[in-house]
Amino acid sequence: AQKVTQAQTEISVVEKEDVTLDCVYETRDTTYYLFWYKQPPSGELVFLIRRNSFDEQNEISGRYSWNFQKSTSSFNFTITASQVVDSAVYFCALSEAAVGTGNQFYFGTGTSLTVIP
Amino acid sequence: DSGVTQTPKHLITATGQRVTLRCSPRSGDLSVYWYQQSLDQGLQFLIQYYNGEERAKGNILERFSAQQFPDLHSELNLSSLELGDSALYFCASSVTPGQGSYEQYFGPGTRLTVT
Repeated sequence: AQKVTQAQTEISVVEKEDVTLDCVYETRDTTYYLFWYKQPPSGELVFLIRRNSFDEQNEISGRYSWNFQKSTSSFNFTITASQVVDSAVYFCALSEAAVGTGNQFYFGTGTSLTVIP
Repeated sequence: DSGVTQTPKHLITATGQRVTLRCSPRSGDLSVYWYQQSLDQGLQFLIQYYNGEERAKGNILERFSAQQFPDLHSELNLSSLELGDSALYFCASSVTPGQGSYEQYFGPGTRLTVT
């Protein structure tokens, strides 16, 4: 079973629109960590945010915000006033804290966001 | 720039051949991870090393092997290559083996094409 599900394969928005990328995760651990990465057309994976399971506070960084809800096992990512430079594939990832798991990341399949000028 | 370096950037080789991909982690990072990204499989974790020792194993084929050297750089060896091995191979590093807590910083990747 998929530990991280990103149901939206592709999203297109017009510049300046807000867009939310969904991420649903599955784990039995009480301590776990969630991440978002951005993969622009150039190919590199850029770290955006880390959130631990004990911190449900939402976070805002500029035009980016993240909504973590343990009750629904979701860690959604919202881009406000999208820009063309936001066009990329966005990955959500889960890392569990169980002993012996090392630091293995489980990535979702990614959401390809296209921002149309 | 994440601080993680990977060489080569591109590699084209024939089926049945063997290649070696190289990765240097960020300064101070002891853990190195290898991932394979292909169109049909997405981003798949292959293997993790921490300070020279294997720490975790994912979906790594027996034809693939890796090691981490005393200077902490790592090499991923791919042998008996098949067309399906064509993919983007990422190396990532983090401060410790964490128990999941530390973000991983990714290199630019090596694009392998098997013809």
